[in-house]
Amino acid sequence: DGGITQSPKYLFRKEGQNVTLSCEQNLNHDAMYWYRQDPGQGLRLIYYSQIVNDFQKGDIAEGYSVSREKKESFPLTVTSAQKNPTAFYLCATQDRYYSGNTIYFGEGSWLTVV
Amino acid sequence: AQRVTQPEKLLSVFKGAPVELKCNYSYSGSPELFWYVQYSRQRLQLLLRHISRESIKGFTADLNKGETSFHLKKPFAQEEDSAMYYCALSGAGSYQLTFGKGTKLSVIP
Repeated sequence: DGGITQSPKYLFRKEGQNVTLSCEQNLNHDAMYWYRQDPGQGLRLIYYSQIVNDFQKGDIAEGYSVSREKKESFPLTVTSAQKNPTAFYLCATQDRYYSGNTIYFGEGSWLTVV
Repeated sequence: AQRVTQPEKLLSVFKGAPVELKCNYSYSGSPELFWYVQYSRQRLQLLLRHISRESIKGFTADLNKGETSFHLKKPFAQEEDSAMYYCALSGAGSYQLTFGKGTKLSVIP
């Protein structure tokens, strides 16, 4: 569990500002994901990356951007174009070689736009 | 397209009563199904997956391809089972998971 670290845990942002959420893992997992969790909406996929220097849009990528320059890191930037950014954001990793499609989650980051 | 439906947003049961959290899916091929659980103030974690055919914390789930269901069951609910439960699906050849909207289980003492 402690292998996925998200920071900050709580973040406040003014409208019109971009903000970056950090996700670091030491599990040596190839795949990493960003989900957004809203009450009554479940988990919705924002972006995912299967290998370094490659990433794909998920179901709700508009207003978000990511990078994957290192295997250990998959930061998410919430841009001012995101219309409703206040949410709980979850980073996850996946190790297909030893645990199939099992996904492991970080503790999450709360973003509030004020 | 793949979809996971959890029809109950909230399920309340008394301690010691049987629990069944419903999950139905839509997928044309052979899916892999999971149940994830999120206890209060803890991270989301895997509870069980159908290919393991195991019982975790007294919970079991059987994949019924005819009814396209993967309901989570426990014969006797405990207070510590109170949590948010998510059903998830992974399609053949895909490593992504599609999650349902979740069911909040509340076990009444």
